[in-house]
Amino acid sequence: ETGVTQSPTHLIKTRGQQVTLRCSSQSGHNTVSWYQQALGQGPQFIFQYYREEENGRGNFPPRFSGLQFPNYSSELNVNALELDDSALYLCASSLEAGGNSPLHFGNGTRLTVT
Amino acid sequence: AQTVTQSQPEMSVQEAETVTLSCTYDTSENNYYLFWYKQPPSRQMILVIRQEAYKQQNATENRFSVNFQKAAKSFSLKISDSQLGDTAMYFCAFMAHSGNTPLVFGKGTRLSVIA
Repeated sequence: ETGVTQSPTHLIKTRGQQVTLRCSSQSGHNTVSWYQQALGQGPQFIFQYYREEENGRGNFPPRFSGLQFPNYSSELNVNALELDDSALYLCASSLEAGGNSPLHFGNGTRLTVT
Repeated sequence: AQTVTQSQPEMSVQEAETVTLSCTYDTSENNYYLFWYKQPPSRQMILVIRQEAYKQQNATENRFSVNFQKAAKSFSLKISDSQLGDTAMYFCAFMAHSGNTPLVFGKGTRLSVIA
């Protein structure tokens, strides 16, 4: 069973640029959630995708957008990067949406904005 | 809105001893799930234990157990026979049962197990 994989592991971008982060969900999982974890903080929910549709969104501006593909892999796109976007971005997949299906997390992408 | 509070930024414990990490939460929901996640330096968030609010019995997973006090909105994690590999950040998290609600995390407790 392949777990959740994220790419790249590290990324350095300049303020104002755009970035795309990628996530492959665990086999059989149709729900993907993205979280932002700032240094020294707990993860904050960005959004969730269920069967290719956005299924919930946290308190993040529209420059944070996403996609889910037919194979249930997902992308997180961030436009007009700001210094405060520097964080660990975590992807998690689950069998279904809801607490009855535990989330399985990847190792994250460390984004640094300079 | 739900909130999760972990009041202990850092804890340390001697190897083989027992340690308890605290967590309180605030919600108006009646049905929900509570979780403890472990995040080692590898950064991957690993599920340690899960509790369903409608179950009165405290969840147990090997050396890990919880003390769930629904009326007090308290959900502490006890680690018995601590091992060096238990060194990590520990996050308490909440998820409502209703709708498509996300995991809400606390700020975490950094646990160091000392040889």
